[in-house]
Amino acid sequence: RKEVEQDPGPFNVPEGATVAFNCTYSNSASQSFFWYRQDCRKEPKLLMSVYSSGNEDGRFTAQLNRASQYISLLIRDSKLSDSATYLCVVTLGFQKLVFGTGTRLLVSP
Amino acid sequence: DAGVTQSPTHLIKTRGQQVTLRCSPKSGHDTVSWYQQALGQGPQFIFQYYEEEERQRGNFPDRFSGHQFPNYSSELNVNALLLGDSALYLCASSSLRGSVNTEAFFGQGTRLTVV
Repeated sequence: RKEVEQDPGPFNVPEGATVAFNCTYSNSASQSFFWYRQDCRKEPKLLMSVYSSGNEDGRFTAQLNRASQYISLLIRDSKLSDSATYLCVVTLGFQKLVFGTGTRLLVSP
Repeated sequence: DAGVTQSPTHLIKTRGQQVTLRCSPKSGHDTVSWYQQALGQGPQFIFQYYEEEERQRGNFPDRFSGHQFPNYSSELNVNALLLGDSALYLCASSSLRGSVNTEAFFGQGTRLTVV
């Protein structure tokens, strides 16, 4: 079983749509949780950290459920520029990032 | 601030050869981690260097080795290259002096092709 599992997609949505991504992680010792964004053939970049209380950054909302070992990302009012791969990430050990395979999002006009 | 820089950006090697990839961390960062990203996969943790020592290691064979220099820059060496080593190699820098949630910044990566 993979340590972090995500639906690889692709998710094809029209501009303005709301889309949700989920991931699950297997190691209950995971310490920190993040969503990274990766554009084609580029490096991953931190999108946002994820907390149990939930956190929002503009059109993006992330949520962590430690009991279910489940992380979510909600994107509202999708833009063309949101097209990318979204990587679910947990940390095991100090700053050892464990990535999911990523979920590909395609936003169309 | 130059951010995290990696060299070279692209590299083609032959099976059995050896390769060295280089990484300069972001200013103020003292920890360097290396990741391998195969096509269609998420990055996989190779190892992490702090204070010139390997602190953590992922599930990679001994053909993968590294080094960190006193200026915090780092090298990743891969011996006896296999076709399966073809991937994007990413370097991430961070600081152990901060909290555990210190953001890791990635370099643009080195795309290695083994033929």
